[in-house]
Amino acid sequence: AQRVTQPEKLLSVFKGAPVELKCNYSYSGSPELFWYVQYSRQRLQLLLRHISRESIKGFTADLNKGETSFHLKKPFAQEEDSAMYYCAPYRFSNAGGTSYGKLTFGQGTILTVHP
Amino acid sequence: ETGVTQTPRHLVMGMTNKKSLKCEQHLGHNAMYWYKQSAKKPLELMFVYNFKEQTENNSVPSRFSPECPNSSHLFLHLHTLQPEDSALYLCASSFGQVKDTQYFGPGTRLTVL
Repeated sequence: AQRVTQPEKLLSVFKGAPVELKCNYSYSGSPELFWYVQYSRQRLQLLLRHISRESIKGFTADLNKGETSFHLKKPFAQEEDSAMYYCAPYRFSNAGGTSYGKLTFGQGTILTVHP
Repeated sequence: ETGVTQTPRHLVMGMTNKKSLKCEQHLGHNAMYWYKQSAKKPLELMFVYNFKEQTENNSVPSRFSPECPNSSHLFLHLHTLQPEDSALYLCASSFGQVKDTQYFGPGTRLTVL
């Protein structure tokens, strides 16, 4: 079965410290992976996707196919990074000749950055 | 209002009631989704509609009945729910293309008494 695991439900760091949110997946083939974030009183939104190889708000994530991991990292955490973070493998599906994306979300990690 | 909107934002209903959740997207997307977010479970995909056609039903009980009259609107009809169905119900939409991004609504907080 395809699964995604975020082993840490809660993660606390101090401002300026490095932070790493772990994500491991078990998917056949080569999934695409996303990180979604939900800040307090805001809606769930995309943070970054591995295929873009971009850094958003100082966060990066590298897909490690050997370890089947997609950990989210930031060298210097800020208080405004406090939020719930979801790792989400993306499965590509076809229906009626049209493609669409299906996300499977991990359990989420609540990150708290202390001043 | 732009983006993905959901109404009502809060709903309290008894187990014998019938109610509906509404989702509307103003983004020109072709795919729409219903998710359930419970306190102790990961975000769960319930239904997927692509160009108004249901393409996924993730083993959801029949007391949840989706409806998609057009690409901009999605409903979730509720009847004879159970207290364990209390949760945040999120709607999302995407273009329906490969490598797209899903845009989420604010959710409807449902409480079943």
